[in-house]
Amino acid sequence: KAGVTQTPRYLIKTRGQQVTLSCSPISGHRSVSWYQQTPGQGLQFLFEYFSETQRNKGNFPGRFSGRQFSNSRSEMNVSTLELGDSALYLCASSRLAGDKETQYFGPGTRLLVL
Amino acid sequence: AQSVTQLGSHVSVSEGALVLLRCNYSSSVPPYLFWYVQYPNQGLQLLLKYTSAATLVKGINGFEAEFKKSETSFHLTKPSAHMSDAAEYFCAVSGNYGGATNKLIFGTGTLLAVQP
Repeated sequence: KAGVTQTPRYLIKTRGQQVTLSCSPISGHRSVSWYQQTPGQGLQFLFEYFSETQRNKGNFPGRFSGRQFSNSRSEMNVSTLELGDSALYLCASSRLAGDKETQYFGPGTRLLVL
Repeated sequence: AQSVTQLGSHVSVSEGALVLLRCNYSSSVPPYLFWYVQYPNQGLQLLLKYTSAATLVKGINGFEAEFKKSETSFHLTKPSAHMSDAAEYFCAVSGNYGGATNKLIFGTGTLLAVQP
Protein backbone atom coordinates (compact mmCIF):
# COMPACT_ATOMS: atom_id res chain seq x y z
CA LYS A 1 0.00 0.00 0.00
CA ALA A 2 1.29 3.44 -0.85
CA GLY A 3 1.90 5.69 2.11
CA VAL A 4 0.70 9.21 2.75
CA THR A 5 1.88 11.55 0.05
CA GLN A 6 2.26 15.29 0.32
CA THR A 7 2.86 17.81 -2.41
CA PRO A 8 4.84 19.85 -2.90
CA ARG A 9 7.76 18.73 -0.74
CA TYR A 10 9.40 22.13 -0.68
CA LEU A 11 8.00 25.58 -1.18
CA ILE A 12 9.36 29.10 -0.99
CA LYS A 13 6.94 32.01 -0.69
CA THR A 14 7.14 35.65 0.28
CA ARG A 15 5.26 37.44 3.02
CA GLY A 16 1.69 38.27 2.16
CA GLN A 17 1.28 35.48 -0.37
CA GLN A 18 -0.95 32.50 0.14
CA VAL A 19 -0.14 28.82 -0.21
CA THR A 20 -2.02 25.56 -0.66
CA LEU A 21 -0.59 22.24 0.45
CA SER A 22 -1.98 18.89 -0.58
CA CYS A 23 -2.20 15.54 1.17
CA SER A 24 -3.28 12.18 -0.21
CA PRO A 25 -4.02 9.67 2.54
CA ILE A 26 -3.39 5.96 2.49
CA SER A 27 -6.00 4.20 0.41
CA GLY A 28 -9.05 3.42 2.54
CA HIS A 29 -8.21 5.98 5.21
CA ARG A 30 -10.96 8.50 5.85
CA SER A 31 -9.37 10.73 8.46
CA VAL A 32 -6.69 13.32 7.77
CA SER A 33 -4.94 15.52 10.32
CA TRP A 34 -2.47 18.32 9.84
CA TYR A 35 0.40 19.35 12.10
CA GLN A 36 2.90 22.18 12.04
CA GLN A 37 6.47 21.48 13.15
CA THR A 38 8.86 24.31 14.04
CA PRO A 39 12.07 24.37 16.09
CA GLY A 40 10.51 26.79 18.57
CA GLN A 41 7.01 25.40 19.04
CA GLY A 42 7.57 21.77 18.18
CA LEU A 43 4.73 19.70 16.76
CA GLN A 44 1.35 21.40 16.97
CA PHE A 45 -2.03 20.16 15.84
CA LEU A 46 -3.69 22.27 13.17
CA PHE A 47 -6.92 20.49 12.27
CA GLU A 48 -8.54 17.16 11.55
CA TYR A 49 -11.00 16.07 8.91
CA PHE A 50 -13.17 13.01 8.66
CA SER A 51 -15.62 12.38 5.85
CA GLU A 52 -15.21 15.92 4.56
CA THR A 53 -16.06 17.46 7.96
CA GLN A 54 -13.67 19.31 10.22
CA ARG A 55 -13.77 17.43 13.52
CA ASN A 56 -11.27 19.41 15.52
CA LYS A 57 -9.17 22.54 15.19
CA GLY A 58 -6.03 23.64 16.94
CA ASN A 59 -5.14 27.05 18.25
CA PHE A 60 -4.13 28.72 15.02
CA PRO A 61 -5.39 31.96 13.45
CA GLY A 62 -8.08 31.98 10.82
CA ARG A 63 -5.43 32.39 8.12
CA PHE A 64 -5.01 28.65 8.38
CA SER A 65 -7.80 26.68 6.79
CA GLY A 66 -8.35 23.30 5.29
CA ARG A 67 -10.77 21.04 3.56
CA GLN A 68 -11.26 17.44 2.65
CA PHE A 69 -12.66 16.06 -0.56
CA SER A 70 -14.93 13.10 -1.14
CA ASN A 71 -11.93 10.91 -2.03
CA SER A 72 -10.43 11.80 1.40
CA ARG A 73 -7.66 13.90 -0.09
CA SER A 74 -7.09 17.05 1.90
CA GLU A 75 -5.70 20.50 1.33
CA MET A 76 -4.63 23.15 3.74
CA ASN A 77 -4.36 26.80 2.88
CA VAL A 78 -2.46 29.57 4.57
CA SER A 79 -3.33 33.09 3.51
CA THR A 80 -1.33 36.26 4.06
CA LEU A 81 1.83 34.40 4.90
CA GLU A 82 4.03 35.59 7.75
CA LEU A 83 7.68 34.80 8.40
CA GLY A 84 6.63 32.72 11.39
CA ASP A 85 4.68 30.38 9.14
CA SER A 86 7.95 28.88 7.95
CA ALA A 87 7.70 25.28 9.11
CA LEU A 88 7.41 21.65 8.17
CA TYR A 89 3.74 20.85 7.62
CA LEU A 90 2.90 17.23 8.25
CA CYS A 91 -0.19 15.41 7.20
CA ALA A 92 -1.32 12.19 8.84
CA SER A 93 -4.03 9.75 7.90
CA SER A 94 -5.88 7.09 9.80
CA ARG A 95 -8.55 4.61 8.92
CA LEU A 96 -11.14 6.18 11.19
CA ALA A 97 -11.40 9.11 13.57
CA GLY A 98 -10.72 8.19 17.17
CA ASP A 99 -8.09 8.56 19.84
CA LYS A 100 -6.93 4.94 19.56
CA GLU A 101 -6.40 5.16 15.84
CA THR A 102 -2.85 4.99 14.56
CA GLN A 103 -1.92 7.98 12.47
CA TYR A 104 0.46 7.47 9.57
CA PHE A 105 2.46 10.50 8.62
CA GLY A 106 3.58 11.76 5.27
CA PRO A 107 7.06 13.16 4.55
CA GLY A 108 5.87 16.72 5.02
CA THR A 109 5.97 19.94 3.05
CA ARG A 110 8.73 22.30 4.06
CA LEU A 111 7.56 25.89 3.67
CA LEU A 112 9.96 28.78 3.76
CA VAL A 113 8.50 32.29 3.92
CA LEU A 114 10.86 35.10 2.95
CA ALA B 1 -5.56 19.20 29.76
CA GLN B 2 -3.36 16.49 28.43
CA SER B 3 0.37 16.90 28.05
CA VAL B 4 3.56 14.92 27.76
CA THR B 5 7.01 15.79 29.04
CA GLN B 6 10.14 14.34 27.55
CA LEU B 7 13.10 14.61 29.88
CA GLY B 8 16.33 15.25 28.02
CA SER B 9 16.27 17.01 24.69
CA HIS B 10 19.54 15.29 23.75
CA VAL B 11 20.65 11.79 24.69
CA SER B 12 23.93 10.24 23.60
CA VAL B 13 24.75 6.55 23.91
CA SER B 14 27.47 4.26 22.62
CA GLU B 15 26.68 1.67 20.01
CA GLY B 16 25.54 -1.49 21.81
CA ALA B 17 24.49 0.37 24.97
CA LEU B 18 21.01 0.57 26.44
CA VAL B 19 18.74 3.27 25.08
CA LEU B 20 16.34 4.90 27.56
CA LEU B 21 14.19 7.82 26.46
CA ARG B 22 11.88 9.25 29.08
CA CYS B 23 8.27 10.32 28.71
CA ASN B 24 5.84 11.36 31.42
CA TYR B 25 2.22 12.14 30.69
CA SER B 26 -0.51 14.13 32.30
CA SER B 27 -4.08 13.10 31.62
CA SER B 28 -7.33 13.16 33.52
CA VAL B 29 -8.57 10.10 31.68
CA PRO B 30 -6.84 6.88 30.69
CA PRO B 31 -4.53 7.95 27.92
CA TYR B 32 -3.45 6.41 24.69
CA LEU B 33 0.27 6.87 24.24
CA PHE B 34 2.48 6.74 21.19
CA TRP B 35 6.16 6.88 20.35
CA TYR B 36 7.18 8.17 16.94
CA VAL B 37 10.61 8.48 15.37
CA GLN B 38 11.69 11.11 12.87
CA TYR B 39 14.76 10.73 10.69
CA PRO B 40 16.27 13.82 9.06
CA ASN B 41 14.10 15.35 6.36
CA GLN B 42 11.38 12.77 6.85
CA GLY B 43 7.96 12.53 8.44
CA LEU B 44 7.11 10.64 11.62
CA GLN B 45 7.14 6.87 11.80
CA LEU B 46 5.19 5.02 14.48
CA LEU B 47 7.37 2.92 16.77
CA LEU B 48 4.68 1.65 19.12
CA LYS B 49 1.45 2.58 20.86
CA TYR B 50 -0.28 1.86 24.15
CA THR B 51 -4.03 1.43 24.16
CA SER B 52 -4.49 -0.32 27.54
CA ALA B 53 -4.29 -3.88 26.20
CA ALA B 54 -0.92 -4.59 27.83
CA THR B 55 1.41 -2.44 29.90
CA LEU B 56 4.55 -3.63 28.12
CA VAL B 57 4.36 -2.70 24.47
CA LYS B 58 6.76 -4.02 21.86
CA GLY B 59 7.38 -1.99 18.76
CA ILE B 60 9.47 -2.02 15.65
CA ASN B 61 13.26 -2.06 15.42
CA GLY B 62 13.65 -3.70 18.84
CA PHE B 63 12.07 -0.86 20.83
CA GLU B 64 9.64 -1.35 23.66
CA ALA B 65 7.89 0.82 26.24
CA GLU B 66 6.25 0.16 29.56
CA PHE B 67 3.15 2.00 30.75
CA LYS B 68 3.39 2.74 34.47
CA LYS B 69 0.26 4.40 35.77
CA SER B 70 1.69 4.96 39.27
CA GLU B 71 4.58 6.93 37.77
CA THR B 72 2.57 8.41 34.86
CA SER B 73 5.40 7.28 32.63
CA PHE B 74 5.84 5.62 29.26
CA HIS B 75 9.58 5.37 28.79
CA LEU B 76 11.05 3.98 25.57
CA THR B 77 13.88 1.45 25.74
CA LYS B 78 16.06 -0.62 23.47
CA PRO B 79 18.61 -3.07 24.90
CA SER B 80 21.35 -2.39 22.37
CA ALA B 81 21.70 0.79 20.34
CA HIS B 82 22.57 0.69 16.68
CA MET B 83 23.98 3.51 14.61
CA SER B 84 20.79 3.54 12.57
CA ASP B 85 18.79 4.48 15.71
CA ALA B 86 20.16 8.01 15.59
CA ALA B 87 17.09 10.18 15.09
CA GLU B 88 14.60 12.33 16.97
CA TYR B 89 11.99 10.58 19.07
CA PHE B 90 8.61 11.97 20.03
CA CYS B 91 6.19 10.83 22.69
CA ALA B 92 2.53 11.70 22.11
CA VAL B 93 -0.77 11.36 23.95
CA SER B 94 -4.41 11.29 22.91
CA GLY B 95 -7.64 10.24 24.50
CA ASN B 96 -9.24 13.13 26.24
CA TYR B 97 -12.02 13.85 23.79
CA GLY B 98 -14.43 11.00 24.23
CA GLY B 99 -12.87 9.00 21.45
CA ALA B 100 -14.09 11.33 18.76
CA THR B 101 -10.87 12.81 17.51
CA ASN B 102 -7.38 11.89 16.39
CA LYS B 103 -5.69 14.91 17.95
CA LEU B 104 -2.22 14.09 19.26
CA ILE B 105 -0.36 16.17 21.81
CA PHE B 106 3.39 15.77 21.29
CA GLY B 107 6.32 16.14 23.60
CA THR B 108 9.24 18.35 22.64
CA GLY B 109 11.27 15.46 21.32
CA THR B 110 14.55 13.78 22.25
CA LEU B 111 17.42 13.74 19.81
CA LEU B 112 19.29 10.47 20.12
CA ALA B 113 22.93 10.32 19.09
CA VAL B 114 24.72 6.99 18.83
CA GLN B 115 28.50 7.05 19.15
CA PRO B 116 30.61 4.34 17.50
